[in-house]
Amino acid sequence: QQQVKQSPQSLIVQKGGISIINCAYENTAFDYFPWYQQFPGKGPALLIAIRPDVSEKKEGRFTISFNKSAKQFSLHIMDSQPGDSATYFCAASPISSNTGKLIFGQGTTLQVKP
Amino acid sequence: KAGVTQTPRYLIKTRGQQVTLSCSPISGHRSVSWYQQTPGQGLQFLFEYFSETQRNKGNFPGRFSGRQFSNSRSEMNVSTLELGDSALYLCASSRSGTNTGELFFGEGSRLTVL
Repeated sequence: QQQVKQSPQSLIVQKGGISIINCAYENTAFDYFPWYQQFPGKGPALLIAIRPDVSEKKEGRFTISFNKSAKQFSLHIMDSQPGDSATYFCAASPISSNTGKLIFGQGTTLQVKP
Repeated sequence: KAGVTQTPRYLIKTRGQQVTLSCSPISGHRSVSWYQQTPGQGLQFLFEYFSETQRNKGNFPGRFSGRQFSNSRSEMNVSTLELGDSALYLCASSRSGTNTGELFFGEGSRLTVL
């Protein structure tokens, strides 16, 4: 029940294309779903996050879609750029518990080809 | 504003030794969490400290321990090192109490156990 399953493991997209990464969770206590972006040699950095009370959140080229009934959420990167090449992690947490514990997916390595 | 600082950045140890890693959180952040990152297991939560108290703990053996000081700086210790402890150890701080959920990660300490 503590798992977050992420797919695909790796993704290659042409510049200007749409990158889509999917995650699924089991624990219904989760109420905070962030996405982190990690570049080589760096720590993960928060990209965008969503709470279950909305089905979609958009920030620039990045959109989270959330399906509460299916317990799934996804990250869409529109107009993908070579600078978006990084590893992306979805995560989940019972944020109402106000702790620093996040359950992370396995990560997706995105390569955007020029 | 300085980010999360982790030291040392790289270290090599042999099996059976112990290691101590240090983390200085962002000024004003009182919560410090530690994560282990490996290619096979991804990002796994080790423990979290808040106001010098361990608030949450992941599923790691007792060889992994930590502490937090009154200035919020934190250390983690791994005793009796095993080959499988080779990993990137990430520290993250947060401004606990705002319920934003955002963790700010350092660049990590890369431990190699020979």
